[in-house]
Amino acid sequence: SQQGEEDPQALSIQEGENATMNCSYKTSINNLQWYRQNSGRGLVHLILIRSNEREKHSGRLRVTLDTSKKSSSLLITASRAADTASYFCATDATGAQKLVFGQGTRLTINP
Amino acid sequence: NAGVTQTPKFQVLKTGQSMTLQCAQDMNHEYMSWYRQDPGMGLRLIHYSVGAGITDQGEVPNGYNVSRSTTEDFPLRLLSAAPSQTSVYFCASRYTGTGMLGYTFGSGTRLTVV
Repeated sequence: SQQGEEDPQALSIQEGENATMNCSYKTSINNLQWYRQNSGRGLVHLILIRSNEREKHSGRLRVTLDTSKKSSSLLITASRAADTASYFCATDATGAQKLVFGQGTRLTINP
Repeated sequence: NAGVTQTPKFQVLKTGQSMTLQCAQDMNHEYMSWYRQDPGMGLRLIHYSVGAGITDQGEVPNGYNVSRSTTEDFPLRLLSAAPSQTSVYFCASRYTGTGMLGYTFGSGTRLTVV
């Protein structure tokens, strides 16, 4: 079964706006990761946040992690048409040797 | 540095046929894994390996077989293809040394079983 649930399932915004995606999970984790998938392509690693971190930045990406609520959010600022893709959160659970994915958020940036 | 290479990119099989999906990485990653991606289901783990000679089952292992004879290669075998195995298959690897790093994914194999 899926570890994470992502919200919303689909998001459509105008270019230049900010996009926020949320992820909830169920078990204790070592880290949480976000990936991007362009249509018909493989997944690309965006950012990893450890369980003892609360916020992390990478360029226009900002990730937060709240382990008490078992939730994370990904913020993309100043969105561009090239950001159109599906975004997945994935958890690396404590004691497990596997990455478990949520079902993803499909993001569309309208020019 | 090619990363993770999957072959073939597309394949059509008849029900009952067998085939092997190839995965190779040139990053000296100890950990390798196979996922399948179906619409509305996200990615589900089939099998994984933490090093040569060591494999383990993931969430959906039935109908699939793996082996890991070298660090570089992690082939996925479909023993007797079924229409339910129609999916996109991704191989992924990661560094298992000091520090936490993300996974590197291949570009996928799109498999159709008729």
